[in-house]
Amino acid sequence: DQQVKQNSPSLSVQEGRISILNCDYTNSMFDYFLWYKKYPAEGPTFLISISSIKDKNEDGRFTVFLNKSAKHLSLHIVPSQPGDSAVYFCAASVSFGNEKLTFGTGTRLTIIP
Amino acid sequence: GAVVSQHPSWVICKSGTSVKIECRSLDFQATTMFWYRQFPKQSLMLMATSNEGSKATYEQGVEKDKFLINHASLTLSTLTVTSAHPEDSSFYICSASGSYNEQFFGPGTRLTVL
Repeated sequence: DQQVKQNSPSLSVQEGRISILNCDYTNSMFDYFLWYKKYPAEGPTFLISISSIKDKNEDGRFTVFLNKSAKHLSLHIVPSQPGDSAVYFCAASVSFGNEKLTFGTGTRLTIIP
Repeated sequence: GAVVSQHPSWVICKSGTSVKIECRSLDFQATTMFWYRQFPKQSLMLMATSNEGSKATYEQGVEKDKFLINHASLTLSTLTVTSAHPEDSSFYICSASGSYNEQFFGPGTRLTVL
């Protein structure tokens, strides 16, 4: 049972444009969400997170939006840069802290120069 | 950010042998370490959670006798894959969490069992 889903396995975006990565979840107990970036043969690197009490969190070029009623979150990257090409995972936990993370299947983002 | 290392980065072994993977937090004390497994084109799946000095908590479907986890110090956790078989071939990733409750991931270990 995949509780966190990323329905787009891949996405290609022109450099300078906006990249939008989507994530859906089914478990209503999740209240903390994270986005990670991963290069091949490396571990994930934390990008940005959001608590369920917020609907938006922004950090530089990265913005995460959360729609609790739709159980949907998205990551916006603007402007997209070639170095953003990687696999992006969304993850969810039932609380912020030493709790297990449930990961989505990932979206491979390719930025076209 | 905090640094987590894994050793080895890749390992090839014969079926039936045991393989030990180390996970170290280099610049912070990790009260909790997590072990994940990732099959090709799939998600990272949590295998177990370990707290320093206590037994690991395994996720459903993960055999504790096959995947031995030791978290003997605040900077080191080990995962031993016992009697490895080809189906155990995977990418194993650890993460460490300290006083700030954020998980920092290691670079992963690619295990190939022949």
